Amino acid sequence: EAGVAQSPRYKIIEKRQSVAFWCNPISGHATLYWYQQILGQGPKLLIQFQNNGVVDDSQLPKDRFSAERLKGVDSTLKIQPAKLEDSAVYLCASSLGGTLGNIQYFGAGTRLSVL
Amino acid sequence: GQQVMQIPQYQHVQEGEDFTTYCNSSTTLSNIQWYKQRPGGHPVFLIQLVKSGEVKKQKRLTFQFGEAKKNSSLHITATQTTDVGTYFCAGSSGGYQKVTFGTGTKLQVIP
Repeated sequence: EAGVAQSPRYKIIEKRQSVAFWCNPISGHATLYWYQQILGQGPKLLIQFQNNGVVDDSQLPKDRFSAERLKGVDSTLKIQPAKLEDSAVYLCASSLGGTLGNIQYFGAGTRLSVL
Repeated sequence: GQQVMQIPQYQHVQEGEDFTTYCNSSTTLSNIQWYKQRPGGHPVFLIQLVKSGEVKKQKRLTFQFGEAKKNSSLHITATQTTDVGTYFCAGSSGGYQKVTFGTGTKLQVIP
């Protein structure tokens, strides 16, 4: 069974530029998560999708971050414009969904450096 | 909002010593999960606890869920160098089972 795929693995941009990350979850997983993990900290949930609907985006900086999950499968996370403090690893995870189906499987992540 | 704290933040042990990390939630949880993240890697699921007072074991690892379902612990017996990494608890609550990760405990094992 294929795992969660993310691309790119690394991205270096200058501040005020735009960037997009892509995630393909495990087949059949209804729930998809995007996390931001700053060095030395735990993953911080940015947005959680259930199929193609948003169930939690309370910690997503909506003035610059956006995410979508078309057709309830793949997802993209965009930052526009980027700030220095956005430098982090962006992790995508997926789970089956439901009360006992929220075990998360993570992708390798995208390491973003904003200069 | 829900907060999940872990202590200690860092732990250095000699190989063969035991290690324990504690996880505390500000709210009652539906379940709690534990993940391990190796340096440079991504979090990998270890175990999920659902019932109040539940205890589960995986070889040298013992996981406990508190009676009030607000705290949990992970104990490693006789640590090995392969145990190096950061251990995160992640608590779930609410209708959509929102997951909040703890602050993590970074374990270093000295050979």
